[in-house]
Amino acid sequence: EPEVTQTPSHQVTQMGQEVILRCVPISNHLYFYWYRQILGQKVEFLVSFYNNEISEKSEIFDDQFSVERPDGSNFTLKIRSTKLEDSAMYFCASGGQGGTEAFFGQGTRLTVV
Amino acid sequence: QKEVEQNSGPLSVPEGAIASLNCTYSDRVSQSFFWYRQYSGKSPELIMSIYSNGDKEDGRFTAQLNKASQYVSLLIRDSQPSDSATYLCAVRAFSGGYNKLIFGAGTRLAVHP
Repeated sequence: EPEVTQTPSHQVTQMGQEVILRCVPISNHLYFYWYRQILGQKVEFLVSFYNNEISEKSEIFDDQFSVERPDGSNFTLKIRSTKLEDSAMYFCASGGQGGTEAFFGQGTRLTVV
Repeated sequence: QKEVEQNSGPLSVPEGAIASLNCTYSDRVSQSFFWYRQYSGKSPELIMSIYSNGDKEDGRFTAQLNKASQYVSLLIRDSQPSDSATYLCAVRAFSGGYNKLIFGAGTRLAVHP
């Protein structure tokens, strides 16, 4: 069964460093998303991406964040200068035609020290 | 502010019973509704989607939607200990664009033998 794949599964980084989280969405899906979940809290929307551009972003997704689809298969989230409060589980999701349903990857646990 | 509200639980039910999980949403024009299951430390897994008023059944799961009351529910029949997880209600928002899901905080379900 097709699935969304994320790498790495766990990333530890020093405050102020840049990190790139990688995702391979389900083949033929057109809608891509990043969500995050701080430990013990709700799943929060960060950004959605369609037709090679951002379609929506939340207040969390400030200038420190960026997304890219560098080729036909990968979808990345970059955090330019990490803060302690960026520590969370980051989930990539993708959706097919119509973008109604979203299927999640297994997540990347980001720890900023 | 568009919100999705769920009782955090825990909802404790005996094995074999029916578990009833509820969700209300504030955006009256929302069109798409989803239930995800999230095991501790894992990613959200889509289990049901519903788009029109009424009931939708899939195996032991039944989703119910009442748009007039802005209410979505999930029934789990013949609950099993393996159903113990957090159940997330998600609504596709209509805020000038609808390319994001907004999640509730989730209801923790505990099925005891």
